[in-house]
Amino acid sequence: SQQGEEDPQALSIQEGENATMNCSYKTSINNLQWYRQNSGRGLVHLILIRSNEREKHSGRLRVTLDTSKKSSSLLITASRAADTASYFCATDSGDGLTFGKGTHLIIQP
Amino acid sequence: DAGVIQSPRHEVTEMGQEVTLRCKPISGHNSLFWYRQTMMRGLELLIYFNNNVPIDDSGMPEDRFSAKMPNASFSTLKIQPSEPRDSAVYFCASSFARSSGNTIYFGEGSWLTVV
Repeated sequence: SQQGEEDPQALSIQEGENATMNCSYKTSINNLQWYRQNSGRGLVHLILIRSNEREKHSGRLRVTLDTSKKSSSLLITASRAADTASYFCATDSGDGLTFGKGTHLIIQP
Repeated sequence: DAGVIQSPRHEVTEMGQEVTLRCKPISGHNSLFWYRQTMMRGLELLIYFNNNVPIDDSGMPEDRFSAKMPNASFSTLKIQPSEPRDSAVYFCASSFARSSGNTIYFGEGSWLTVV
């Protein structure tokens, strides 16, 4: 069953702009993770945020977590053409990761 | 580190044939996962192993699917007999289970087409 649901399903922005993707989930979690998938490739881990954390940064990535609203957001600042990919949130409830269907991000040069 | 290695990368087979997908996890990882990805259903967890033991196979679609992990460095996912609706990308992934949270490392996938 689907746990995380990303929003929007697709996003197209100009290079240099910021991209924000959201994820909502239904049950309690230990942590939430974001992954990236380039076309035809496997998923690559980007960042993990624990349930007791509210915000985390990694390079141009900023992740927030609101456990009261059961939601998370991924912000990519100063986007680049190479950021074009699908982005997935995954929730860890102690029995393995459950992935959403992803947000397909297109960065237009 | 070579990462998670899957084979074959691409397979086209006829309905009714047996399909075997193979996976070599990252050395030292103690958890292994098989996922299936389709446009309609997204990424679905089929089964995962911890220390070579199947922990949760509730995601395996039906009896035509089976998975084994005979040792820490090898796993197979078998479909017998295959059907066109099994066409998907099958990912193997591994991790080192820790209480602080598991980062999963994915292989490049096996692209299966059943005609």
